[in-house]
Amino acid sequence: ETGVTQSPTHLIKTRGQQVTLRCSSQSGHNTVSWYQQALGQGPQFIFQYYREEENGRGNFPPRFSGLQFPNYSSELNVNALELDDSALYLCASSSLMNTEAFFGQGTRLTVV
Amino acid sequence: QKEVEQDPGPLSVPEGAIVSLNCTYSNSAFQYFMWYRQYSRKGPELLMYTYSSGNKEDGRFTAQVDKSSKYISLFIRDSQPSDSATYLCAMLYNAGNMLTFGGGTRLMVKP
Repeated sequence: ETGVTQSPTHLIKTRGQQVTLRCSSQSGHNTVSWYQQALGQGPQFIFQYYREEENGRGNFPPRFSGLQFPNYSSELNVNALELDDSALYLCASSSLMNTEAFFGQGTRLTVV
Repeated sequence: QKEVEQDPGPLSVPEGAIVSLNCTYSNSAFQYFMWYRQYSRKGPELLMYTYSSGNKEDGRFTAQVDKSSKYISLFIRDSQPSDSATYLCAMLYNAGNMLTFGGGTRLMVKP
């Protein structure tokens, strides 16, 4: 176990709705990154948070947004859900200057 | 063209075989190279990481990096059915940056 926990495990939403996914980082880690993994593909970087500030963003539209809290836990928010947003959303916890990132078990989002 | 390419497989081998998994990449700025294992419906688990070229061994696993060819490999000796999973290579420009993943290779080790 990595110590990174994500909730919920599974979620079904309707197109156009909004969703919030949550991540608790591993103790001692101050950086959280979010990834989207479509079925049969590798994870794609969404964004990274370091000390409550966004510290890098991948090629995702603004309707993907996030937060990091003082305890370094994090949220991923997705507005105006589209069918293509159906994927496994992964949270990775690390220290900023460390190469090792540890992933949670993911949240599987299905948009219908 | 994707920055990191990986044969999707599936790769099917008998128990006890030596497995070779490979990735190629296009950007010579990558400095850190990782291998993750992902079981079905689970998050990726870090197996090994290496910095720059060379080999690194950990038990039955050996990671190899050839920066001149932009090619990395993971070898699994004495493969076990429990090694059946998807193996993802991932790369970093600098420590703390975003990971760039390959598409993953699905491995099946048959008893």
